[in-house]
Amino acid sequence: SQKIEQNSEALNIQEGKTATLTCNYTNYSPAYLQWYRQDPGRGPVFLLLIRENEKEKRKERLKVTFDTTLKQSLFHITASQPADSATYLCALPPNTGFQKLVFGTGTRLLVSP
Amino acid sequence: SQTIHQWPATLVQPVGSPLSLECTVEGTSNPNLYWYRQAAGRGLQLLFYSVGIGQISSEVPQNLSASRPQDRQFILSSKKLLLSDSGFYLCAWSLQGQEQYFGPGTRLTVT
Repeated sequence: SQKIEQNSEALNIQEGKTATLTCNYTNYSPAYLQWYRQDPGRGPVFLLLIRENEKEKRKERLKVTFDTTLKQSLFHITASQPADSATYLCALPPNTGFQKLVFGTGTRLLVSP
Repeated sequence: SQTIHQWPATLVQPVGSPLSLECTVEGTSNPNLYWYRQAAGRGLQLLFYSVGIGQISSEVPQNLSASRPQDRQFILSSKKLLLSDSGFYLCAWSLQGQEQYFGPGTRLTVT
């Protein structure tokens, strides 16, 4: 069956450290993968899109990698801050087309001062 | 710039009552539109999506329905709410193959 797996346990790290979140998928062949941030009671906010021919993408303190062989994307936040505390979701298109996305359940990140 | 509106922000409805949630998008044309539901502590469940006026694709069989009467208007409805319909309802838009932009959401509690 098709699955997108993100660690359901919260990730607790100290301010200034690098946070690394994992997104694994099974039985998908995505042309791209996206990462979103969701704060409590709010809708998700788009952060980054990485395509299958891109190994790595960066935006300010964010870095995303995409390994289509391992079927995995890693999301890194360097020099993390308490304001980075949120739930981070990965999403990818289903094999049937690009009109919609399938979202992982997300990983909650808690950055303590 | 583009903006997306959803209303109401919160809603408390009794079981068996009807529902109508509205979503409108400004600043873009012919967007793809989506309705999601997020139960407490759970992931996003895609309910409906639309690629054009009058075109609705249903993802999950349930007592909800959706309509797109205008290019930038998306409505989620129910004739009779169930307790299990409680959740956080999110509308989103995108251009095909691109990222999605979400509205502020509607918190629905069915009592």
